[in-house]
Amino acid sequence: AQSVTQPDIHITVSEGASLELRCNYSYGATPYLFWYVQSPGQGLQLLLKYFSGDTLVQGIKGFEAEFKRSQSSFNLRKPSVHWSDAAEYFCAVGSGTYKYIFGTGTRLKVLA
Amino acid sequence: EPEVTQTPSHQVTQMGQEVILRCVPISNHLYFYWYRQILGQKVEFLVSFYNNEISEKSEIFDDQFSVERPDGSNFTLKIRSTKLEDSAMYFCASSVSNSPLHFGNGTRLTVT
Repeated sequence: AQSVTQPDIHITVSEGASLELRCNYSYGATPYLFWYVQSPGQGLQLLLKYFSGDTLVQGIKGFEAEFKRSQSSFNLRKPSVHWSDAAEYFCAVGSGTYKYIFGTGTRLKVLA
Repeated sequence: EPEVTQTPSHQVTQMGQEVILRCVPISNHLYFYWYRQILGQKVEFLVSFYNNEISEKSEIFDDQFSVERPDGSNFTLKIRSTKLEDSAMYFCASSVSNSPLHFGNGTRLTVT
């Protein structure tokens, strides 16, 4: 069955610290992988995507993610977190142009 | 940058009433979607729509739900007889072939 697991429900980091949000997936075919961010009361904004090619992808706001097929993972990273990064982060997997499957999300809190 | 727009931002309705949630996808997009997010839970796929027909739908998308593209710009989700458990944030999304989904800011539906 297709699924996405985000093992960390909440993460708290200090401003300026590095960040890694974990995402593991189960998918039969070669997946398309995404990270979206949701600020309170807002919609889902695409941070980055992986379709094929270079397994390290760069996104907006200084985020990057690495696709590791052997580990079925697509972890999101940022070297130095800003207070404005506090939000909920969703990993998603899909193929083609049909449905995405979302993880349960990781809520990031940033301490000043 | 073009956006997916959703109206209204908040809809309150009584149980058993019909509601229509409206979306204007990005103009050159061909694939349209509805997702929902019950408060504090993950984003769930409802339905995808392409070429004037449903491409795929989830178990959630039962006979109480329908989608329509009544003209060249709008994409609507109708719930015929709302239930308390339909209370959620409903997100519309659109895309072109093999590209990430672009989400609107959502409509918060409250069923009382």
